[in-house]
Parts: sequence; structure tokens; C-alpha cells
Amino acid sequence: GNSVTQMEGPVTLSEEAFLTINCTYTATGYPSLFWYVQYPGEGLQLLLKATKADDKGSNKGFEATYRKETTSFHLEKGSVQVSDSAVYFCALSDQSSRSQGNLIFGKGTKLSVKP
Amino acid sequence: ETGVTQTPRHLVMGMTNKKSLKCEQHLGHNAMYWYKQSAKKPLELMFVYNFKEQTENNSVPSRFSPECPNSSHLFLHLHTLQPEDSALYLCASSQDFSGGSYNEQFFGPGTRLTVL
Repeated sequence: GNSVTQMEGPVTLSEEAFLTINCTYTATGYPSLFWYVQYPGEGLQLLLKATKADDKGSNKGFEATYRKETTSFHLEKGSVQVSDSAVYFCALSDQSSRSQGNLIFGKGTKLSVKP
Repeated sequence: ETGVTQTPRHLVMGMTNKKSLKCEQHLGHNAMYWYKQSAKKPLELMFVYNFKEQTENNSVPSRFSPECPNSSHLFLHLHTLQPEDSALYLCASSQDFSGGSYNEQFFGPGTRLTVL
């Protein structure tokens, strides 16, 4: 079945450090891929998305490229800020005929950025 | 109010209690979702309603009973819960739940449920 695997956290970085959170997926068909972010005490918010191979999603300095050949969608940011501290979820849209519209999430990676 | 709201934000209940969680979306969407978020586990989809009709029930125990009286409101009725049901329950909505396309899901802040 479809699944998402993302790196275990927590990830602790200093301010202005480079961030990479790895995400790989298993899917049939051509899913869309997403990164969601959950700030403390809040629900999930869509951070960025890519709907086809080689697309790059970007938002708030974060980027991720849909790599079909490696089935990956790694999240990157060149210079993190304390305000980026949150839990990040990689997800894919379930393209199976019964569940189109479902999202399948990874377990989440907690990021802590220290001043 | 804008977006997706959930009440209460925190709930503590005993195993014999009956309580309900409420979700309301102000986005004009037609699909609504309940998710369970437990520590160190992936987000689990529980139920999906599309145009007030239940389209997904992911083998959720009957002690959880959803209700969708209209496209803007979604309830989760709880009774005879177990301590392992303690989790953050998230509601989400999207434009609809149509086959062959993805509609971005907008999440509420969640209800933190503790079952004693």
C-alpha cells in the first residue's frame, strides 16, 4: 500500500543553520506530495506541495522537489529561524480508486531551532 | 470566525462518560474529516464526510460515532472510551472529496482528549 517515511526526530539546529528533513514514499500511480507544519498548540497547515515529477514546491523559504526516480520529497531551508520550530509532516495523496482525496502522512519530524 | 474551529480544546473524561467533540468550518467546503493524532504515530484518518454523506470509516471502533448534520458542522460522539483513546483529535475540511483530484485540507487546532 501507499506509505510515507520521514526521518526520525527530533532535529535540533542553531539559528541560520541549513535544514534538510528527508521524506521518501511508496505509492501506486502519480500522487501529489505535501509538507504540512504544526506549530505548538495548533493544527496542521499546508507548507508547500508538488503535484507532478520534477515540480518544486516553495513557501516561506522552504523548498522541496518531487523526485520520482528516488521517490523522495526532501524538505530544505537555507537558514532556519527560531520561529521555524515546529513538527513537519510529509504526506501524499492516495490515488487508489477507493480513497482518492485521502492524505497519507508520515510520523512527523520535530524541529527545534536554538538562538 | 474564520477557517476551521474545534471545541472544546481540552477534554478530560472517565471511561463511562459520554461527550461530544464539535468542529465547524467557515470556508464553504463540502468535505470534512476526523483524524486521530497520537504520540509517535502517523496521523490516522478516522472518518470522511463528503456532502454530508460518510465516505470513509477506517475501521474505527463503535465507541466513536460521527455525525455530520450539514456541510459546515461535524461532530464526534464519544462513549465508553479507553485510556488508549487519549490523543489529539483533529478536524479538517476541503472543497470536496472528489475522485481523481486533490483538494487541500485545512485543519482545526484539535481537541486534546484525556481518558482516565
